[in-house]
This record gives sequence, C-alpha cells and structure tokens, in this order.
Amino acid sequence: IQMTQSPSSLSASVGDRVTITCRASQSISSYLNWYQQKPGKAAKLLIFGAINLQSGVPSRFSGSGSGTEFTLTISSLQPEDFATYYCQQSYNMWTFGQGTKVEVK
Amino acid sequence: QVTLEESGPTVVKPTQTVTLNCTISGFSLTTSGEGVGWIRQPPGKALEWLALIYWDDDKRFRPDLEGRLAITKDPSKDQILLTVTNADPADTGTYYCAHLQTVGWSSYFDYWGQGTPVTVSS
Repeated sequence: IQMTQSPSSLSASVGDRVTITCRASQSISSYLNWYQQKPGKAAKLLIFGAINLQSGVPSRFSGSGSGTEFTLTISSLQPEDFATYYCQQSYNMWTFGQGTKVEVK
Repeated sequence: QVTLEESGPTVVKPTQTVTLNCTISGFSLTTSGEGVGWIRQPPGKALEWLALIYWDDDKRFRPDLEGRLAITKDPSKDQILLTVTNADPADTGTYYCAHLQTVGWSSYFDYWGQGTPVTVSS
C-alpha cells in the first residue's frame, strides 16, 4: 500500500490553521496514524486510528478521514509545531508517507 | 515506563552483515499482544518500516527487503535483534526500534528509541 502526502512542504505562521492530506493507494478503513518528527529526534505519535488523539498531545491537533483520504489539522500553529509530519497505514503491515515539512513563513 | 534503546556498529563495509540490538524496559515480549518493530530513516529522507516481531515469535518484513532481513528476540535479556545482510550504501541511515501498540485491528508505534546511526561505506 502506497501512502502519498500533500503538500511535501508548506510555509506557515504562528496562529495559522494548517492542513496536511494523506492518500492511500487502496482503502485502509481507519487504520491511519500520524507522527511528528523534529530534526535529530525520533518520531512522536500524534493521532491513531485516523481520529484518536494520543495521550498528552495538544487538542489543537486533530485527524479525520477514512477509506483512502485522510487529513491532519493543526488548528492554531504554535512555535513548537514546526516539524515534519508523517502519515502511516497499519491496514496491511506498515507504510509511511513521504512526509510534510512545516516551515516558518 | 516504557523505554527502548538501540545499539550497534556505526560504520560497516559493503557486503558485511549489520546486527542491531534493541533493549527494552517497561514491557515484556513474553506478554500477549506485544510487538517491537524496526524503522529506518536514510539521511534527509522519510521513515521506512523494516520488520516487526510479536510476542509469539510471529514476524513481518518489508517485502522489498525480506530476503536480507532477520529479526529475533531474546526475552530473557529483553533484547530484539535486527540483522541486515549484504549491506549496501543505500542502507545508510538512522535505525529506530519502536513498541507496537495493538488495539483491535488497529496498531501504531507509540514508544520509540532514540535511534542509532549506521553508515555503510568502504
């Protein structure tokens, strides 16, 4: 299963609403997870099962979608949110998207 | 508290075999439902899932690397080993091990190690 994220990168300002899209090459139901990675660090789980917020993750992060199209939304971008975001399917083994880098505008 | 820590050689020559170790704490691979996976990240590139082992010794491998990968566990030492044979410069990157949480049919990597760098170069 191929996972395609868009855009590959985006520029945004603190306070902006940010949306990242992830598309699967076939239906994966709701078996979709989102991770955040900062330079030199391991990835951190944000959302699992497409819509469920991992414990300790701020509520400004939310996920939606099912089937083949999914969205990660950051409602009001904070300075600590500049990072790369990855989607990952768990319908058939595990595959990551190519990542979306959120940069300072 | 769940923790994972990777260790292994930082530099290997092409065609050699790379063996990486993941030492876990806070959970046990003897417990039903538990799993540990390996994920790597080439420099400047995306995360790539490689392999996974479950508590019952069931294993899964990335299809395009399956012939070069092996994964084993030693529960008595709380260690999980990943072996990559016939190393190639394309195997260069940071290798992470991560705890797999399974909820029904859904699964996700909720705890990660800090990663260990591997460079394949002559």
